[in-house]
Amino acid sequence: AQTVTQSQPEMSVQEAETVTLSCTYDTSESNYYLFWYKQPPSRQMILVIRQEAYKQQNATENRFSVNFQKAAKSFSLKISDSQLGDTAMYFCAFMNANAGGTSYGKLTFGQGTILTVHP
Amino acid sequence: DTGVSQNPRHKITKRGQNVTFRCDPISEHNRLYWYRQTLGQGPEFLTYFQNEAQLEKSRLLSDRFSAERPKGSFSTLEIQRTEQGDSAMYLCASSLTVLGGEKLFFGSGTQLSVL
Repeated sequence: AQTVTQSQPEMSVQEAETVTLSCTYDTSESNYYLFWYKQPPSRQMILVIRQEAYKQQNATENRFSVNFQKAAKSFSLKISDSQLGDTAMYFCAFMNANAGGTSYGKLTFGQGTILTVHP
Repeated sequence: DTGVSQNPRHKITKRGQNVTFRCDPISEHNRLYWYRQTLGQGPEFLTYFQNEAQLEKSRLLSDRFSAERPKGSFSTLEIQRTEQGDSAMYLCASSLTVLGGEKLFFGSGTQLSVL
């Protein structure tokens, strides 16, 4: 079974600054996907960024980027130029991939990190 | 694309009552998932459907829980004889099967409070 650990229950950052959220995971699988989801007070889980384990290049989506260290089983999220709208709970999640890279959507989530962006 | 819709948004019930939640996925998505999220925790997988077939159930899904997806469209999650420990937010998600992995779209959830 996979486990996902987020060791920072809460983080805060000033608007326009950069913040990094940490995530570690444990798995015996070699092929998998990692995700960061954002859950604002509206409760809807929104996909922020996705990383395929077989890709060495770190994923980026506009102001969001990851630092994926496969050997260390580490997957951190960097948010640059933080905005007030980034205030939310952030979840790191793991999805196993079947052979050939196909998968289904069984996600294992971490405990979450509450991020507050201050003006 | 109208997104994943869940009803009701909130449900308050008394212990021992039965409750049913509904999820309408994005229309062309063939996979549908139910997750449960308790306060301050990440969501936990409950079950998933591919079209109308329920292909996996978590051990979290006791005999009091039943999920259906008739005709592979909307899904219902029923909890019989509710207990206070069932209080949680129940999230539904849907996805389209593609090579290279699934992208899940979540609804806003149904918040259940058992008194």
